[in-house]
Order: sequence, then C-alpha cells, then structure tokens
Amino acid sequence: DSGVTQTPKHLITATGQRVTLRCSPRSGDLSVYWYQQSLDQGLQFLIQYYNGEERAKGNILERFSAQQFPDLHSELNLSSLELGDSALYFCASSVLGDTDTQYFGPGTRLTVL
Amino acid sequence: AQSVTQLDSHVSVSEGTPVLLRCNYSSSYSPSLFWYVQHPNKGLQLLLKYTSAATLVKGINGFEAEFKKSETSFHLTKPSAHMSDAAEYCCVVNTGKLIFGQGTTLQVKP
Repeated sequence: DSGVTQTPKHLITATGQRVTLRCSPRSGDLSVYWYQQSLDQGLQFLIQYYNGEERAKGNILERFSAQQFPDLHSELNLSSLELGDSALYFCASSVLGDTDTQYFGPGTRLTVL
Repeated sequence: AQSVTQLDSHVSVSEGTPVLLRCNYSSSYSPSLFWYVQHPNKGLQLLLKYTSAATLVKGINGFEAEFKKSETSFHLTKPSAHMSDAAEYCCVVNTGKLIFGQGTTLQVKP
C-alpha cells in the first residue's frame, strides 16, 4: 500500500458525459501527478500540481482539467468523454517534486461506452 | 532529449531461474532512475531507485539493478524467479518529469 488513495476504483459512463476522479496523496506529500494508461499508449503524464498550484503539464487534453485543494487532495475532471478516453487513470504523489520518488495510487479504471 | 528504452517487451523464465530485464536510458546528465512493477489491475509499486549514490541498487522482493553510466543501462535482475514475480515491469527516468519505458511483461513458468 503506497498511501495514495484514489476513488472510485471503477467508473462506467457514456460518451459526452463528465466525470471526476479523486486522489488523496500520501500524508505530507505536496505534489500530485496524474497519468493516463491506455492499452496502446502506455503511461502518459497528464499534469502535476504542487501545493495547490499547477506545476507542469503533459499530454493533457483541453477537455480535461485538474485542481489541487487546500487539503492537498486533487481531482481530475474529464468532460465530453469519448470512447478513446477509456483508460486507467493513476495519481501519484511525492514530497516535493522534481526528481523525488513518486508513489502511485491503485488507479481508477474509466470505461466510456 | 531524455528517453528510456526497455529492450524486451516480453521475457519468459522458469521458476527458480535468474531474471534479467533490460533498460537503456538517454540523458544529458545523470538522471534519477526507477524500476516499478505493476501487477494486473493494480497500481505501480516502486521496486528500487538510483539517485547517484551506489551504482548497485537493492530493491524489494530480491530485485537489484546496476547503473552503468558507460553503457547508459539500468538493467533489473533477480537471482531466482518466483511465480509471484509475474507482472509488468517499467523502467522510468525522472528528469523532473517521469519518462516511462514501454514496459516488459515477465512470465514465470512453473
């Protein structure tokens, strides 16, 4: 158990809908990262937050957004969902950022029908 | 540009025999390197990390990796495979952002 929690574990929804994925980092970690893992593309970095502020952006679509709250938990919002958004979404956290070790949550499996 | 290449997409070994999972990286400076393991329907679990201290890094579950700068490699080894080692293994370079290899699926045959 890494100490990073993600909810829900599974999510099934329809195209065009909007969902919110939640992540709680390890106690004391200030950085939160979001990743997408799809069958054909492997793990892709989406976005990083550090102490409430956006720190780095990866391959995140404009239909996706994220935020980190004062209690350091983070939410990833996915809107106008498409079939291709079906994937495992992982959250990771680290103490600070940069080259710190990242600890991963168990993931949320999103299925878009 | 930083990159990481896992040389084998699939490795199959017999239980009790050694494991070698190969990883080469490309970086303009000494990076932080990690190996993660992912069991089916689970998150990534950190096996070990290299951060410019000892070049031979010991991790959990009997795994080790050796950082070889001259070969830009960070291969993962284990002397004796166990059935529970069957999983996906990912070599990762951290240069401020994580750069993931494509993964190696380890199959362990009884």
